[in-house]
Amino acid sequence: TQLLEQSPQFLSIQEGENLTVYCNSLSVFSSLQWYRQEPGEGPVLLVTVVTGGEVKKLKRLTFQFGDARKDSSLHITAAQPGDTGLYLCAGDSSSGSARQLTFGSGTQLTVLP
Amino acid sequence: NAGVTQTPKFRILKIGQSMTLQCTQDMNHNYMYWYRQDPGMGLKLIYYSVGAGITDKGEVPNGYNVSRSTTEDFPLRLELAAPSQTSVYFCASSYYYRTGELFFGEGSRLTVL
Repeated sequence: TQLLEQSPQFLSIQEGENLTVYCNSLSVFSSLQWYRQEPGEGPVLLVTVVTGGEVKKLKRLTFQFGDARKDSSLHITAAQPGDTGLYLCAGDSSSGSARQLTFGSGTQLTVLP
Repeated sequence: NAGVTQTPKFRILKIGQSMTLQCTQDMNHNYMYWYRQDPGMGLKLIYYSVGAGITDKGEVPNGYNVSRSTTEDFPLRLELAAPSQTSVYFCASSYYYRTGELFFGEGSRLTVL
């Protein structure tokens, strides 16, 4: 079983601050996804990164895939209360017909106004 | 466009009872999945399906069964409920298999007493 560790587990910051959350593994993934989940709802995809070293930006969110495709980071600039939620990373190590998408345990982010 | 619809949203079961969680998607996706989410544990794959009539086990299939008679529906059956099955269950679907975005339902919170 692949293992994805996310850190920190909990993060509480003031509006306007910057933050970075991390997703680390000893395993190589063919792609990695980041999802955000709000209370009482299912996760919603933010981004998929595929190439080692890839950087993708989504407004104030910057995602990076590690060169070795074993880790990823999510950086949020000038956080807003609307960014509050559970951030999940998911690494894909599927082979053949067997689907293998491993989810991290998540980072619970709270942005205080 | 409803996306992925799960019912019921909440259910309390007694030990030994059985029930079916319903999942329907209207996006004509071939790939469908059932996950369970426990606090601090991320999402664990129970079963998945790559098309009507084809299902396969995920990481934690024991105590569950699935069927896929149509593209739209992917019900999850719990036989002889146990307290360890207390969790939030999410159904998801995707268009692509390997790097495809997962579209999640809103979840079904199950408590076994």
